[in-house]
Order: sequence, then C-alpha cells, then structure tokens
Amino acid sequence: KQEVTQIPAALSVPEGENLVLNCSFTDSAIYNLQWFRQDPGKGLTSLLLIQSSQREQTSGRLNASLDKSSGRSTLYIAASQPGDSATYLCAVRRGGADGLTFGKGTHLIIQP
Amino acid sequence: DVKVTQSSRYLVKRTGEKVFLECVQDMDHENMFWYRQDPGLGLRLIYFSYDVKMKEKGDIPEGYSVSREKKERFSLILESASTNQTSMYLCASATPGVHNEQFFGPGTRLTVL
Repeated sequence: KQEVTQIPAALSVPEGENLVLNCSFTDSAIYNLQWFRQDPGKGLTSLLLIQSSQREQTSGRLNASLDKSSGRSTLYIAASQPGDSATYLCAVRRGGADGLTFGKGTHLIIQP
Repeated sequence: DVKVTQSSRYLVKRTGEKVFLECVQDMDHENMFWYRQDPGLGLRLIYFSYDVKMKEKGDIPEGYSVSREKKERFSLILESASTNQTSMYLCASATPGVHNEQFFGPGTRLTVL
C-alpha cells in the first residue's frame, strides 16, 4: 500500500527566506505527483504536477522536483511571502484513472 | 478555468438521516472523485468514477455510495449518517491521460449529530 510522508509537519520562517518542503513515497510505481496548497477551511489549489517521466516543474517562485527511483519530491519556494502561509500537500497518483494518495501536509507560516 | 462546485459549504444532519452531497464540474472531465479530510488522517479517497454510471471503490468506501447519471455531476450518498462521518468532504475532477491534473471543489463540512 502506497504511503506518502511529508516533512516537516510544520514550519515557521521569516519573510524573504527560500525554503524546501519534502515529500517521500513508498512505492515508486506512480503515474504522477501533484503539489497542492490549502488555506484554512478551503479546498485544494493545484500548484504543480510532475509526470513520472519528468524531473522537475516550475511555476513562478515555485519549483518541484521528482526522483522517482528514490521515492522523493521537493517543493522549493523562493523569496517567501506572508501570502504563502498555508498547508502544502503532496499527492501521488497510482494509475491513469485512479485517485490520489496524500501526505498529511506541511503547515507553513511566513512571518512578516 | 476549471470550476468544481459543491452544493453546500456547511451541512448539519442527524444520525440515521440519508445525506446527499452533490458535485458539479464544468470542464467535461471524465474522471471524478470524492475524498474526506480529517485531522491527523489527511485526505482519503472514498469513491471515484471514470465515466457515466461507472464507479470504483477507493480506500474507505464503507458507509458510502455514489451516483453518476450525468458526466458533469457526481453525488456522494450517506445511506444512514453516523457521527463518525462528520468530516470535510472534497470533490475533484480530472481528465484521463498524461496531463491529468486533479481540480478540487471548495469542500462541504458535514456535521452529524
């Protein structure tokens, strides 16, 4: 059974810092990996999707990498801002039409 | 932009009631999903559908059923609500294939008393 772990569970940093969120998964036979952001009481916003054949994806200040063989992904956030404060979730897709298996998230606070 | 809407943001029901949670997407996506999110347990897949009238069990289907009569609409049904079904319910949709990013609705916070 696929298990997804995110480290750290919580992180608080001053504004302007670059930071890295980590995600690991136990079964490397994934279809793709998706990073989401969730604000309190809200739904999920998709940030980046990496196909299993890709190594990284970038969107603005966000960069996600994937090392499928070692079962790891990282989300790099450059020049963090208070508006980046949220919970960040990593999820892997098991098959073409299948659902996602989620990690429990990293709760991020950016101090002004 | 893809839009996934859910019929209610907050819902309060009594134990034993039959509960319907509705989800509608406007992007002609084949695949639709229901998850629940609980503190300490994260998001877990309840059911998914890859076509009209087709459904597959996810990781925690017990106590739930689903209905997909039209492509744009996917309903989650609690036949007899119980207090342990108090949770945040999230619907998602996606296209099949290589770029099958999942898009989520705003969620329904269900309380069963």
